[in-house]
Amino acid sequence: QKEVEQNSGPLSVPEGAIASLNCTYSDRGSQSFFWYRQYSGKSPELIMSIYSNGDKEDGRFTAQLNKASQYVSLLIRDSQPSDSATYLCAVVISSGSARQLTFGSGTQLTVLP
Amino acid sequence: EAGVTQFPSHSVIEKGQTVTLRCDPISGHDNLYWYRRVMGKEIKFLLHFVKESKQDESGMPNNRFLAERTGGTYSTLKVQPAELEDSGVYFCASSRDTYNEQFFGPGTRLTVL
Repeated sequence: QKEVEQNSGPLSVPEGAIASLNCTYSDRGSQSFFWYRQYSGKSPELIMSIYSNGDKEDGRFTAQLNKASQYVSLLIRDSQPSDSATYLCAVVISSGSARQLTFGSGTQLTVLP
Repeated sequence: EAGVTQFPSHSVIEKGQTVTLRCDPISGHDNLYWYRRVMGKEIKFLLHFVKESKQDESGMPNNRFLAERTGGTYSTLKVQPAELEDSGVYFCASSRDTYNEQFFGPGTRLTVL
């Protein structure tokens, strides 16, 4: 079992719709969760961080965390073609003093005009 | 505030040669991380510096890889001698403290022929 799992997609949604991206993680002690957006050939760009159960909203983005289910999601409201990218879920796996990010394989999102 | 910068953006070398990658973190960020993505795989952690000290180098693949961060500012990652499987994109990231979000540089694409 991978430490961080995402559906690879591709996920296609029409412009203006809600895109829902999901991620599960294996380590129950994990405390920090991040969503990165990566355009083709570019570096990962941090778009959301979440540390406690519940929802966190920032503009059109909402991150949801459920530690009991070991599940984190990202909702993108009013999706735009410019949101088309690969979305990476990253988790700080609890392991002593380790603070590195463990990434999922990413979900490719296409927003259709 | 300037972002994380990396040099070079691309490097093509032959097997057995040496390559040195450089990363300049965001000013004031004590934490510096190296990651890499090889073809078709997830982004994987290599190592973590806190200022000039190696906090965690559990992700370094073997002793052909040497990372330094003299003076706690920029960092270099040397691969000597390079092998074919070292090809990939090497990312550097920095954060203000160990619990903060990590911001990624543009990456260095390394091709070993």
